Amino acid sequence: EAQVTQNPRYLITVTGKKLTVTCSQNMNHEYMSWYRQDPGLGLRQIYYSMNVEATDKGDVPEGYKVSRKEKRNFPLILESPSPNQTSLYFCASSLSDKAANTGELFFGEGSRLTVL
Amino acid sequence: AQSVTQLDSHVSVSEGTPVLLRCNYSSSYSPSLFWYVQHPNKGLQLLLKYTSAATLVKGINGFEAEFKKSETSFHLTKPSAHMSDAAEYFCVVTRAWWGNTGKLIFGQGTTLQVKP
Repeated sequence: EAQVTQNPRYLITVTGKKLTVTCSQNMNHEYMSWYRQDPGLGLRQIYYSMNVEATDKGDVPEGYKVSRKEKRNFPLILESPSPNQTSLYFCASSLSDKAANTGELFFGEGSRLTVL
Repeated sequence: AQSVTQLDSHVSVSEGTPVLLRCNYSSSYSPSLFWYVQHPNKGLQLLLKYTSAATLVKGINGFEAEFKKSETSFHLTKPSAHMSDAAEYFCVVTRAWWGNTGKLIFGQGTTLQVKP
């Protein structure tokens, strides 16, 4: 089954404790992206990747890192989480950036992160 | 610059009555527009898309939307609401330029409540 898998789905952590949210897709997609969803703000892009070893900042990259060493994985790293990073995070993938432009994005089920 | 505004944060309808979710966009050139649906605890799913072909676009589950350039609107409609339509809906416009392709601009979201 084609899917985007995120882990963990729920996490409560404390300020400053490094954490990683994993994202894996099994569709051989080139394009992957991370979003955060906050009430009243919709989804905002954090980072995206056009292919392996090609990542770039989105609209709200501060406090986050990503890597793309393999095509299927695109982890989101919070080196020193702060309470303002409490949010619902979505990973998405698409065949290519052009496919993403036509709305063909596949989303994971989300990871709800709480930073105390 | 591109932006999208969903005019209602919450819409409540009775089962069997029409649904109207309103979306206005701003774009300096011809946009691609989408509606995504997010059911509780699920990722986002593409409902329908407009990419400069027919202005009346049909999507899944009986939804449709009409692109009106003169009104800069892309409202989502359905003739008869079903309980399973209860979800959050996002209007989305693409922002594509060299070096930043595949980026989608999300509206704030509209929560659709369907009453029995």
